[in-house]
Amino acid sequence: EDKVVQSPLSLVVHEGDTVTLNCSYEVTNFRSLLWYKQEKKAPTFLFMLTSSGIEKKSGRLSSILDKKELFSILNITATQTGDSAIYLCAVTPQPGGSQGNLIFGKGTKLSVKP
Amino acid sequence: DSGVTQTPKHLITATGQRVTLRCSPRSGDLSVYWYQQSLDQGLQFLIQYYNGEERAKGNILERFSAQQFPDLHSELNLSSLELGDSALYFCASSLDPGPEETQYFGPGTRLLVL
Repeated sequence: EDKVVQSPLSLVVHEGDTVTLNCSYEVTNFRSLLWYKQEKKAPTFLFMLTSSGIEKKSGRLSSILDKKELFSILNITATQTGDSAIYLCAVTPQPGGSQGNLIFGKGTKLSVKP
Repeated sequence: DSGVTQTPKHLITATGQRVTLRCSPRSGDLSVYWYQQSLDQGLQFLIQYYNGEERAKGNILERFSAQQFPDLHSELNLSSLELGDSALYFCASSLDPGPEETQYFGPGTRLLVL
């Protein structure tokens, strides 16, 4: 069964700390891995990692994909209170590449204290 | 704001009833996805449409159905509602249906079944 496991489930840090969120996956035929940030409601897209793009960076956020070990990490440096959210990892598992449905992990709830 | 709109924002109904959730994708996007997010299950993929045709099915119950109309908006119909159907229902859209297309999520419809 395809699955995505995120750890830790919850994390509390102070402003300025660096955090690393983990995502491991087991899928039938991996195509891509995505990171989303969910604050009050809708998940918002952060990164997509594929075979042709295994490292992404945007400001204080960065992510790498290890296709051999089947995991990804999301790094946030110099955290701010606005980084407080649930971070979701998702993969697209379907063979053939014609479908784009996502399988999500349960998420990591990050709380950044002032 | 992702450009994906969903109505209504909140819905309270009773067991046994039927409801319809509506989604308008981002301008130009042809593919629509429906997800259910509950506290214990996390985000679960329900169904995907591309240009009016069903493309992929996930964990969608037989009591649930969806369709995508010629103007590309989509509706998710939930019938014979049960208490366990209470959840946040998200619609997402992407330009193409493939796994390397970023999905943009709408604000969600929060359904409460009493």
